[in-house]
Amino acid sequence: GAVVSQHPSWVICKSGTSVKIECRSLDFQATTMFWYRQFPKQSLMLMATSNEGSKATYEQGVEKDKFLINHASLTLSTLTVTSAHPEDSSFYICSARTGREAGELFFGEGSRLTVL
Amino acid sequence: GQSLEQPSEVTAVEGAIVQINCTYQTSGFYGLSWYQQHDGGAPTFLSYNALDGLEETGRFSSFLSRSDSYGYLLLQELQMKDSASYFCAVNNQGGKLIFGQGTELSVKP
Repeated sequence: GAVVSQHPSWVICKSGTSVKIECRSLDFQATTMFWYRQFPKQSLMLMATSNEGSKATYEQGVEKDKFLINHASLTLSTLTVTSAHPEDSSFYICSARTGREAGELFFGEGSRLTVL
Repeated sequence: GQSLEQPSEVTAVEGAIVQINCTYQTSGFYGLSWYQQHDGGAPTFLSYNALDGLEETGRFSSFLSRSDSYGYLLLQELQMKDSASYFCAVNNQGGKLIFGQGTELSVKP
């Protein structure tokens, strides 16, 4: 299957700072990537759709100024959590489709953010 | 709006068969996917149904009835390593996946 890589896997930061998470498709080009957030024992909530070369599309209730998404190339999307607060602590996961396998999203390993 | 419902938890013994049901209400339905997620890990794809009927992949099978807005995941010959969370997810326009709340499966010896 296709490989999606996320970095960093773990990050701890102080309240008020910004954190950038990278998502790369290693062996395919992804014009579209998706960012999800997952709290412990809960479902994956879609935050936004990241489109290469254009603005991201955010789901209802997701603050676009707080969660900045940049999809500068066909293999890289970044999520920046700005002015992080403890309630932003969560598991952030990116995903992408190759377009070859119907119905399948390939997920990165996830990034666990802890804001102190 | 969109919603998916699945049981929150299921317990079974090794070697048994388990069925996890999923009902959904959504617009722009393209298909139903199933994912497995172990604690602390990323979701991994199990199965996808775009049309009515049964799809079989090894020990796992998935079923869809579009007219009933219903699907299920069937796990056979359960193994301890199958203990995980299982999510059904609706495939929407634009390739979005909307996930259910997840079913935590515990497999006992």
